[in-house]
Amino acid sequence: DQQVKQNSPSLSVQEGRISILNCDYTNSMFDYFLWYKKYPAEGPTFLISISSIKDKNEDGRFTVFLNKSAKHLSLHIVPSQPGDSAVYFCAASRGYSGSARQLTFGSGTQLTVLP
Amino acid sequence: KAGVTQTPRYLIKTRGQQVTLSCSPISGHRSVSWYQQTPGQGLQFLFEYFSETQRNKGNFPGRFSGRQFSNSRSEMNVSTLELGDSALYLCASNPGQGNEQFFGPGTRLTVL
Repeated sequence: DQQVKQNSPSLSVQEGRISILNCDYTNSMFDYFLWYKKYPAEGPTFLISISSIKDKNEDGRFTVFLNKSAKHLSLHIVPSQPGDSAVYFCAASRGYSGSARQLTFGSGTQLTVLP
Repeated sequence: KAGVTQTPRYLIKTRGQQVTLSCSPISGHRSVSWYQQTPGQGLQFLFEYFSETQRNKGNFPGRFSGRQFSNSRSEMNVSTLELGDSALYLCASNPGQGNEQFFGPGTRLTVL
């Protein structure tokens, strides 16, 4: 049973436009959400996160939105750049600071930013 | 600050053998987690260690084991390798507070 789902395996966007990557989750116990970017043959790189007590978090060109009632989150990248082309993973965890933590990942979305 | 390092980066083994992978977390980080990435199953959690104790374990058979040393370095071991164990094994570290995990480059294991 996939608890974190990324239903779009791929997304192509023109350089300078907005990229919107989506993620849905089913486990209502998740209270912290993260986005990672991954290039081939490298480990995932942490991008941005959001706690369930918030509905938005911004960091430069990256903004994550959380809709708890819909169990949905999205990552917005504005403006998109060719260097953003990578696989983006959504991840979720539960528990409090100091407790055991385990990330549950979605299957990833390949973002391609076209010059 | 140096990032998470993993050794070796690439490994080729045959079925039935065992393998040990190593991970050095970011300095000061006390939590180390291991993940397996395969094309079919995606990124899956193996286990987490904190202060030399396993705190959490994913749904993997007992052939997969790990340990953590007093300097927070961690090893994972896979015994009696199967073809399906071919994967990218990723180690992630965390200071012990907060949920962000920082990943190493991974070890690519190929089982022939």
